[in-house]
Amino acid sequence: EVQLVESGGGLVQPGGSLRLSCAASGFTVSTNSMNWVRQAPGKGLEWVSLIYSGRSSYYADSVRGRFTISRDDSQNTVYLHLSSLRLEDTGVYYCARERAYNNYFDQWGQGTLVTVSS
Amino acid sequence: DIQMTQSPSFLSASIGDRVTITCQASQDIRNYLNWYQQKLGKAPKVLIYDASNLEIGAPSRFSGTGSGTNFTFTISSLQPEDIATYYCQQYDNLFTFGPGTKVDIK
Repeated sequence: EVQLVESGGGLVQPGGSLRLSCAASGFTVSTNSMNWVRQAPGKGLEWVSLIYSGRSSYYADSVRGRFTISRDDSQNTVYLHLSSLRLEDTGVYYCARERAYNNYFDQWGQGTLVTVSS
Repeated sequence: DIQMTQSPSFLSASIGDRVTITCQASQDIRNYLNWYQQKLGKAPKVLIYDASNLEIGAPSRFSGTGSGTNFTFTISSLQPEDIATYYCQQYDNLFTFGPGTKVDIK
């Protein structure tokens, strides 16, 4: 069974850092494009970052230079390192798999909550 | 950057009604558009990909049309389990979600 499980969320002060993890099972992250999508409380979905199978990575303008996506193939896990956190980074962060040969997100994790507050 | 708009932002309809949501892109995105359903407290789920293709397992009452900059998502006969927020998503240039349309039962 295909599954994505996020972890690492929590309460952090403005300017702080956090690392989110997305552990995959039932498929291999290194052969798929993997994404992070976030949702502020009561708001809509915002695409955050993408890592291709070849390790090229892309970011939304709102997080470029502050967030870093990476992958550990031996752990079958994708990470999102968040730094210089701002109040507006608060929200649920979802990991999502991009379906091979298509460009839609066919598998999602349950999300992990990041709260940036002093 | 490609901007996405949706209308309406909220709609209330009766069981069995036909419901239509529109999505507009700020530039031509061909048919590079997906539709997702998100129920309260849950992760989103794809319903339509490439503007008009029904995802395996999605009910046939969901459909999508359009190309270029204008797209439409339709629920042919609204059911109680369709209460959710619906998002369009472009993938012509990375990804952008629309602001969402919340659907409720009248």
